[in-house]
Amino acid sequence: DSGVTQTPKHLITATGQRVTLRCSPRSGDLSVYWYQQSLDQGLQFLIQYYNGEERAKGNILERFSAQQFPDLHSELNLSSLELGDSALYFCASSVDIGGSYEQYFGPGTRLTVT
Amino acid sequence: ELKVEQNPLFLSMQEGKNYTIYCNYSTTSDRLYWYRQDPGKSLESLFVLLSNGAVKQEGRLMASLDTKARLSTLHITAAVHDLSATYFCAVGDTGNQFYFGTGTSLTVIP
Repeated sequence: DSGVTQTPKHLITATGQRVTLRCSPRSGDLSVYWYQQSLDQGLQFLIQYYNGEERAKGNILERFSAQQFPDLHSELNLSSLELGDSALYFCASSVDIGGSYEQYFGPGTRLTVT
Repeated sequence: ELKVEQNPLFLSMQEGKNYTIYCNYSTTSDRLYWYRQDPGKSLESLFVLLSNGAVKQEGRLMASLDTKARLSTLHITAAVHDLSATYFCAVGDTGNQFYFGTGTSLTVIP
């Protein structure tokens, strides 16, 4: 158990819909990272937040957005969903801002868009 | 965009043998990560390598980083069945983005 929690575990929704994925980092970790894993694209970095501020942006679609709240939990919002958005979404947390320390991954949310 | 190439993609090895997984990347970076993923599970951090010549070892796994060659290796010594998993390398760039290799699916055969 990494100490990172993600909800929900599974999500099935229809095209065009909007969903919110939630992540709580390990106690004491200020950075939260979001990743997408799919068979087509492999593992892709989406976005990083550090202590509430966006720090780095990767291959995140404009239909996707994220935020980190004052209690450090983070949410990833996916809207106008397409079939190709079906994937595993992981969040990870670390203590630092610059990636010099380990990232601890949550169990993931499996999103299925039908 | 930084490219990360990992090879081999698939590796089947006998218990007790040694092997190396290679991770090449396309532009300068000083942060290299190795992860393990079991089927249907999340990623587990194995190593964080931060400088040229860095070497880290944990059990039967040893990782090294050559930033000049833009190459990291993950060496497996005397493989055991429990090491069967998919191994990913990832590289962090100066903008704090992270790029993953395609993964190496390792099967250790008794």
